[in-house]
Formats: sequence, structure tokens, C-alpha cells
Amino acid sequence: AQSVTQPDIHITVSEGASLELRCNYSYGATPYLFWYVQSPGQGLQLLLKYFSGDTLVQGIKGFEAEFKRSQSSFNLRKPSVHWSDAAEYFCAVGEGGADGLTFGKGTHLIIQP
Amino acid sequence: NAGVTQTPKFRILKIGQSMTLQCTQDMNHNYMYWYRQDPGMGLKLIYYSVGAGITDKGEVPNGYNVSRSTTEDFPLRLELAAPSQTSVYFCASSRAEGAFFGQGTRLTVV
Repeated sequence: AQSVTQPDIHITVSEGASLELRCNYSYGATPYLFWYVQSPGQGLQLLLKYFSGDTLVQGIKGFEAEFKRSQSSFNLRKPSVHWSDAAEYFCAVGEGGADGLTFGKGTHLIIQP
Repeated sequence: NAGVTQTPKFRILKIGQSMTLQCTQDMNHNYMYWYRQDPGMGLKLIYYSVGAGITDKGEVPNGYNVSRSTTEDFPLRLELAAPSQTSVYFCASSRAEGAFFGQGTRLTVV
């Protein structure tokens, strides 16, 4: 069965500093990988996705993620965070079909002024 | 373009009551999903549908039912509400590019 681990429940970063959120997955085949962001009281918004090809993918809001098959990881990065980036971030894995996504438990990002 | 619309946004139910959470999408997606989100637990899949007339159980289907009579609508039914069903419920629709989520329904069972 597929699973997703986000090892950091909370991360605090100063505004303007760089960010890396970790995601490890367990999956038998080549996975479809996603990062979503959830602001308080809101639904989930897709930041970026990886299906195949270039292992460094660019997303919205200045985010990028790198797929590393050897490490079963799909870490999310941003070179300089803004206060508006404070939110809950979810990594998810799927098969690309209809079976839905398996989500990690999320990482709560706090931005210090 | 409304995307995925869920109603209601908030609801308080008494134990044993029933209700239907509504979900509609205007993107002509075949795939639709219901998830529940509990604090610190991420999202768990309740039911999903690959098209009108076809539904299947997800990871946590007990206590819920769904139907899919049209491509647009995918309602979730709670027949006998229990405190364990207190949660935030999200409907989503998707194609291969990724899932689009509604704003959620916060349900409290007392």
C-alpha cells in the first residue's frame, strides 16, 4: 500500500529565508506526486505536481520540488518565503487514475517576521 | 468558473440525525472524491467515483453513502450521525493534472 510521510509537523522560518519541506513516499511503481497548500478555513490548492520527465518541477507562488527516486523523496522548496506563505502543506501520492490520493499528515509552516 | 462547490459550509448535527453534504463541479471531470480531514491526520478518502453511476469505497467508508447520478454532482450521505464523524469534509474532482478541492464542510456531531 502506498504511504506518505511528512516528518516535520511544524516548521518555523523567518521571512525572507529559504524553505524546504520534506516528503517521503512508499509506492511500488512510478508515482504521481503532488504538493498542496491549505490556508486556514480553506480548501486545498495544488502547488505543483510530478508525473514524469524533469525531476525538478516548478509550481505556483515561487515553489519548486525535486523528485529523487533513490531517496523516495519529493521535497518542496522556496528560495525566499513571504508572510503569506504561512499555511498547512500536504504532500500526496497517487497512481494518476481514479483511485484518489494518499496524503501525508501535513506540515504547518509558521513565518516569523 | 466556480470549480468545486460544497454546501453547507458549517453544520451541527445531533447524534442519530442524518444529512447530505452536497458537492457539484463544473469542470466536466469524471473523477470525484470525498475526503475527511481530522486534525494532525491529513486527508482520508471516504468514497470516490469514476463517472456517473459508478462509485467505490475508499479508506474510511463506514457510516457514509454516496451516489453519482450526473457528472456534476456527488453528494455524501450520513444516515446515523455519530460523534466520530465530527470532521471537515472535502469534495474534489480531478483529471490527470491533479485534483481540485472545494472549500470544505465543517461538521460537528453532538
